[in-house]
Amino acid sequence: KAGVTQTPRYLIKTRGQQVTLSCSPISGHRSVSWYQQTPGQGLQFLFEYFSETQRNKGNFPGRFSGRQFSNSRSEMNVSTLELGDSALYLCASSFRLAESQETQYFGPGTRLLVL
Amino acid sequence: QKEVEQDPGPLSVPEGAIVSLNCTYSNSAFQYFMWYRQYSRKGPELLMYTYSSGNKEDGRFTAQVDKSSKYISLFIRDSQPSDSATYLCAMSGVGNTPLVFGKGTRLSVIA
Repeated sequence: KAGVTQTPRYLIKTRGQQVTLSCSPISGHRSVSWYQQTPGQGLQFLFEYFSETQRNKGNFPGRFSGRQFSNSRSEMNVSTLELGDSALYLCASSFRLAESQETQYFGPGTRLLVL
Repeated sequence: QKEVEQDPGPLSVPEGAIVSLNCTYSNSAFQYFMWYRQYSRKGPELLMYTYSSGNKEDGRFTAQVDKSSKYISLFIRDSQPSDSATYLCAMSGVGNTPLVFGKGTRLSVIA
């Protein structure tokens, strides 16, 4: 079974631009979560989508948004990029039911550098 | 106080040593506890998964959860250079609650 895939793997943008990152979960997984990883803050939760609906949201500004498609693929968008948005963006998928915790499987991440 | 505290290291040990990695947490609602390993330039991969208190063993790895002390541990026996990575603890409550991660401990096993 193929793992979680993320595209692109590397990205360089300048301040003020916007960016869209893509994530394809493991086949059959319906939950997709996004995380930002930086050396200073570690892994921080951005949001989770389940069956095309945002189910959880972390403490990030509205410039960070996401969506999930009917095939469970997900995209996240960051508008008006700031230098501090430089990070590794990780996507994780799980077959997550309503009231249970399922283990999450991570993709390789997209490394974003904002200049 | 952060919800999950983890010593960032770095931790350097000789090959064959027993490694102990730890996290403390403040949220008593946490019920699910995980350890992830992350190699440089890779995404985290799940190592161990434990529900509530107790021990779990998988090969050279043992995970322990002490909910009364809000303390979790990962032990690595007979450590190998291939174990050199960053180890992240993660935990969550029941229901649709997101994972909360520690910042990770960087481990180097020297041959």
